[in-house]
Amino acid sequence: DAMVIQNPRYQVTQFGKPVTLSCSQTLNHNVMYWYQQKSSQAPKLLFHYYDKDFNNEADTPDNFQSRRPNTSFCFLDIRSPGLGDAAMYLCATTKTGASYEQFFGPGTRLTVL
Amino acid sequence: AQSVTQLDSHVSVSEGTPVLLRCNYSSSYSPSLFWYVQHPNKGLQLLLKYTSAATLVKGINGFEAEFKKSETSFHLTKPSAHMSDAAEYFCVEGGSARQLTFGSGTQLTVLP
Repeated sequence: DAMVIQNPRYQVTQFGKPVTLSCSQTLNHNVMYWYQQKSSQAPKLLFHYYDKDFNNEADTPDNFQSRRPNTSFCFLDIRSPGLGDAAMYLCATTKTGASYEQFFGPGTRLTVL
Repeated sequence: AQSVTQLDSHVSVSEGTPVLLRCNYSSSYSPSLFWYVQHPNKGLQLLLKYTSAATLVKGINGFEAEFKKSETSFHLTKPSAHMSDAAEYFCVEGGSARQLTFGSGTQLTVLP
């Protein structure tokens, strides 16, 4: 089945130790998103790729970066995680067209010690 | 700017009774509207979507929603709640790939 896959599902890192989260998709969608979701809150958009065009939200911390080496893969790099970066990170994809329905991965739960 | 208002942060129903989760959107044009469900430690799953076709939209697991332009509403309903429906529900408005607006979410509790 076509899907959005996130690895790992759970990630534990130490304060200040860089971490990379990965997302892959078999849907061949041209738009990919990274969201941060804290407990009992709605997902908050960090950035998205529209094809190869990178779009950073204005309030995304500089600590967060992303790479999209090809259509299928997208990475979220957190250079120096702080305690406040502990959250669920969701990857989503869509295809430009009529409805812009987003397809979500299962998420990566990041713990910062 | 777009905004989506979910009128209840928590809804509690008994198993077998109807569910109503309320959502209002702000767009003056005809939007794309979605309801997503999120179970604990899971990603978001699409329940249903409205894309300017039929105003009554049927989704998965017995859920449906009615688009009412005059009220700028897109409320989610289900005739009979099941224990497995307990989750967080998000109403989302999408106008373009660069602009997606989430409501704040409604936590649904289903009592036995």
